[in-house]
Amino acid sequence: GESVGLHLPTLSVQEGDNSIINCAYSNSASDYFIWYKQESGKGPQFIIDIRSNMDKRQGQRVTVLLNKTVKHLSLQIAATQPGDSAVYFCAENRGGGSQGNLIFGKGTKLSVKP
Amino acid sequence: ETGVTQTPRHLVMGMTNKKSLKCEQHLGHNAMYWYKQSAKKPLELMFVYSLEERVENNSVPSRFSPECPNSSHLFLHLHTLQPEDSALYLCASRGSDTQYFGPGTRLTVL
Repeated sequence: GESVGLHLPTLSVQEGDNSIINCAYSNSASDYFIWYKQESGKGPQFIIDIRSNMDKRQGQRVTVLLNKTVKHLSLQIAATQPGDSAVYFCAENRGGGSQGNLIFGKGTKLSVKP
Repeated sequence: ETGVTQTPRHLVMGMTNKKSLKCEQHLGHNAMYWYKQSAKKPLELMFVYSLEERVENNSVPSRFSPECPNSSHLFLHLHTLQPEDSALYLCASRGSDTQYFGPGTRLTVL
């Protein structure tokens, strides 16, 4: 039968290729952003964060880009591996510093083909 | 391991049962959160505690009752739940900026 659920955008990439996952945010006052990875049956796992006074930040195989002009955030994963298959969420902190609440996007499902 | 633990990891309960979910954080954070994640909706914030005081209750039905006895522990007491309450319940803690999640409790209400 038909399953009813949250329809997530899906990105399918070949193993070894680079992945780019995008996120649009709505509040120009948001001052801090986080990317999370959630594997099936697990809680969201912190990947990388960026403050609004930066436009790029790099981690191990991951890069986050922030474009405040168009309120756009992206996560780039280099040399994507099967273990990268998961749902990726962006979150924005809508002001208030550490007292603000994070607002989460719906997520993008990344599927890595071997 | 994120430093946030949750028990039990799985729970099946009837609509007349009373159960509690437990969360513990070992990060020295001063804010703790309960979220609900279901297949039909994105992550939903339920409750926020800051310095052991409840600072936010996002219109959550009274059959969910949170408790924060100290800065390291957070409970979610459940009673007379409905089948639509079946979901993954996530606890999170936050210090300065980054928020860390626990592994969640998969709750099934029969």
